[in-house]
Amino acid sequence: GQSLEQPSEVTAVEGAIVQINCTYQTSGFYGLSWYQQHDGGAPTFLSYNALDGLEETGRFSSFLSRSDSYGYLLLQELQMKDSASYFCAVRDDYGGSQGNLIFGKGTKLSVKP
Amino acid sequence: NAGVTQTPKFRVLKTGQSMTLLCAQDMNHEYMYWYRQDPGMGLRLIHYSVGEGTTAKGEVPDGYNVSRLKKQNFLLGLESAAPSQTSVYFCASSPHRMNTEAFFGQGTRLTVV
Repeated sequence: GQSLEQPSEVTAVEGAIVQINCTYQTSGFYGLSWYQQHDGGAPTFLSYNALDGLEETGRFSSFLSRSDSYGYLLLQELQMKDSASYFCAVRDDYGGSQGNLIFGKGTKLSVKP
Repeated sequence: NAGVTQTPKFRVLKTGQSMTLLCAQDMNHEYMYWYRQDPGMGLRLIHYSVGEGTTAKGEVPDGYNVSRLKKQNFLLGLESAAPSQTSVYFCASSPHRMNTEAFFGQGTRLTVV
């Protein structure tokens, strides 16, 4: 089976840097993705790591260590609009569950002025 | 550019009634997913499909059925609705196994009374 663990809540101030961690267990691994969801909205894709290392997209970066089954999302220069829930997700590419996309329970980020 | 469209957006059902949620995507994606989202539970995979004519069970399939007769459509059925199925339902699609960027519909808020 698959499971993902991430903190339920994080609070930070505007302009700061925050890191949201994600650890995962899966039979077959096909990359770690991150999604953002504002209250009342739909999840939207942020980033994807298939290989170890850091991927940077503007103020957001995502890191993966496959040997540690661990990744994180780094948000820099926090803005009020970054207040949202952030989800990590893995695709299992093994056996009968090939092709599924499983999400963690989400981390609610609150950005304070 | 419609992307992923879900109908209906809201629905109230009585216990025991049946209904079908429709998901349509116009991006020619191979993979399609149905999730439910409940407070504190994140996005839980109900069923998914890796291509036209194929479906597979996700994490919480009981009480739901799906069909993918056409590549662009993925239907989620509730044969006998229960209050425990009150939730927000999201449909998503992604291009193929190499790409874990999923595009989400705007969601269906279902209440079973």
